[in-house]
Amino acid sequence: QVQLQESGPGLVKPSQTLSLTCTVSGGSISSGSYYWSWIRQPAGKGLEWIGRIYTSGSTNYNPSLKSRVTISVDTSKNQFSLKLSSVTAADTAVYYCARDIVVVVAATPRSGNNWFDPWGQGTLVTVSS
Amino acid sequence: DIQMTQSPSSLSASVGDRVTITCRASQSISSYLNWYQQKPGKAPKLLIYAASSLQSGVPSRFSGSGSGTDFTLTISSLQPEDFATYYCQQSYSTLWVTFGPGTKVDIK
Repeated sequence: QVQLQESGPGLVKPSQTLSLTCTVSGGSISSGSYYWSWIRQPAGKGLEWIGRIYTSGSTNYNPSLKSRVTISVDTSKNQFSLKLSSVTAADTAVYYCARDIVVVVAATPRSGNNWFDPWGQGTLVTVSS
Repeated sequence: DIQMTQSPSSLSASVGDRVTITCRASQSISSYLNWYQQKPGKAPKLLIYAASSLQSGVPSRFSGSGSGTDFTLTISSLQPEDFATYYCQQSYSTLWVTFGPGTKVDIK
């Protein structure tokens, strides 16, 4: 079964760029019509979707973070990555990667569903000097 | 953008109780609503997708219903391992994902 594992620095300085990688095991990142997402959760708070990527390189981002986010994929390594620039203390959170099942029911206007399964265990990133 | 609310924000219940959690969308999202369970220090786990479809491996005491703007997650007989926080999630356009604020279920 597919498993995901986040990796990257646990401490990032303010104004710098947060970089995380998610390694997919137990299956190819390119198999099936799956997207791959990043989601974060500040301590004691709810979940915030950051964005997703398809193995073709197509991306969708949360509008509130779009100006600072880049998600990329490396199919040869079975990995996808997150870069979040100009971080502040507000970006301190546990960051999760997840397989993103997207079902488009109608194209115009676009509608459908998506759900996340499975998830990585999460990695805490603290933004502090 | 579609906003999600959940009620209650927290509840206390006993083992064996029937528990119902409500999720409401600010506009109709058809049946495109999913539910997750999160235990402390763990990643969320998918319970229900498309409003009422039980994810493989999830106990049958969990069920989901609803369509349009109002949805419910029901636990028919609460078990000790069910004490957790539950989140609903939608992505009606499939281009932008939002989660509800969560409902914490703890022991009475």
